[in-house]
Amino acid sequence: DSGVTQTPKHLITATGQRVTLRCSPRSGDLSVYWYQQSLDQGLQFLIQYYNGEERAKGNILERFSAQQFPDLHSELNLSSLELGDSALYFCASSVFGTSTFNEQFFGPGTRLTVL
Amino acid sequence: AQSVSQHNHHVILSEAASLELGCNYSYGGTVNLFWYVQYPGQHLQLLLKYFSGDPLVKGIKGFEAEFIKSKFSFNLRKPSVQWSDTAEYFCAVIITGGGNKLTFGTGTQLKVEL
Repeated sequence: DSGVTQTPKHLITATGQRVTLRCSPRSGDLSVYWYQQSLDQGLQFLIQYYNGEERAKGNILERFSAQQFPDLHSELNLSSLELGDSALYFCASSVFGTSTFNEQFFGPGTRLTVL
Repeated sequence: AQSVSQHNHHVILSEAASLELGCNYSYGGTVNLFWYVQYPGQHLQLLLKYFSGDPLVKGIKGFEAEFIKSKFSFNLRKPSVQWSDTAEYFCAVIITGGGNKLTFGTGTQLKVEL
């Protein structure tokens, strides 16, 4: 158990819908990252937040958005869902926002299926 | 943009065989390097990491990796694999000064047969 929690574990929804994935970082970690794992794209970085502020952006679609709240939990919002959004979405956390000696701990993931 | 290549997509070994998984990255600057493992149905776990210093790093469960800067490589090794090592292995890189995002390779699916 990494200490990072994600809810829900599984999510099945229809095309065009909107969902929210939730992540709680390890106690004391200020930075949260979102990654998408799909069969065709592999593991891709989506976005990073550090202490409530957006720190880095990766291959995140405009239909997707995220935020980090004052209690440091984060939510990833996916809207106008398409079949291709079906994937495993991982959240990770780390103490700092920079790369120096900064290990990321991963949560168990949310498996999203879009029908 | 930086990229990470893992040459072996599927590897099948017998128990007690030696393992070496290749990883190359394309970036000329300073990098931090990682190997993660994903057991079936589980989350990513860090096996080992290289930030600086001794290029031969030892990780958990008997794994080690060697950073060869001139070859832009960070290959994962284990002298004797066990059935419980069956998993998917990901090499990843963080560019120092480029934020903290991990760029992952495509992964290597390892199956260890009894």
